[in-house]
Amino acid sequence: EAGVAQSPRYKIIEKRQSVAFWCNPISGHATLYWYQQILGQGPKLLIQFQNNGVVDDSQLPKDRFSAERLKGVDSTLKIQPAKLEDSAVYLCASSPTGGWTGELFFGEGSRLTVL
Amino acid sequence: AQKVTQAQTEISVVEKEDVTLDCVYETRDTTYYLFWYKQPPSGELVFLIRRNSFDEQNEISGRYSWNFQKSTSSFNFTITASQVVDSAVYFCALRGLTGGGNKLTFGTGTQLKVEL
Repeated sequence: EAGVAQSPRYKIIEKRQSVAFWCNPISGHATLYWYQQILGQGPKLLIQFQNNGVVDDSQLPKDRFSAERLKGVDSTLKIQPAKLEDSAVYLCASSPTGGWTGELFFGEGSRLTVL
Repeated sequence: AQKVTQAQTEISVVEKEDVTLDCVYETRDTTYYLFWYKQPPSGELVFLIRRNSFDEQNEISGRYSWNFQKSTSSFNFTITASQVVDSAVYFCALRGLTGGGNKLTFGTGTQLKVEL
């Protein structure tokens, strides 16, 4: 079974530029998450989708961050314009529908450096 | 509000030593779940174990064991006879039911280095 796929793995941009990250969850997983992990910290949830609907985006900085999951499968996270403090690893995770086991399946992350 | 504290930022041990990673949590929920995840250098978080608040039975799985004590709000993780491949960052996480969905609150992680 293929795992959660993310791209690009690494991205370096100047502040005020824009960037987009892509995630393809495990096939059949209805729930998709984007987490932000700043160096030395634990992951922080940015947004959670159930199919193509948003369940929780309370910690998403909506003035600069946006995310979509148009067909309930893959998802894109965009940052525009980027700030220095957005330097982090952006982790995508998915979990199956129905009986919740608590296990999230994570991708390897997209590391963003903002200069 | 939920909070997870991992006071140990970094631990270094020599291979074959036992090591315990500490986790203390705070929640107002009476029903909640606790987790441990491992993050190797590749960056991908890997699920290790889940415990619910009604199950205080400790568990052993191979070289791994977990000690859940509700009275002290702790969920500690022990690796017996550590190996170099155990080197990673380990995260403790909490999910309370009132939060809804699958929202996990992670601790800041403990970097474990196992040396030869």
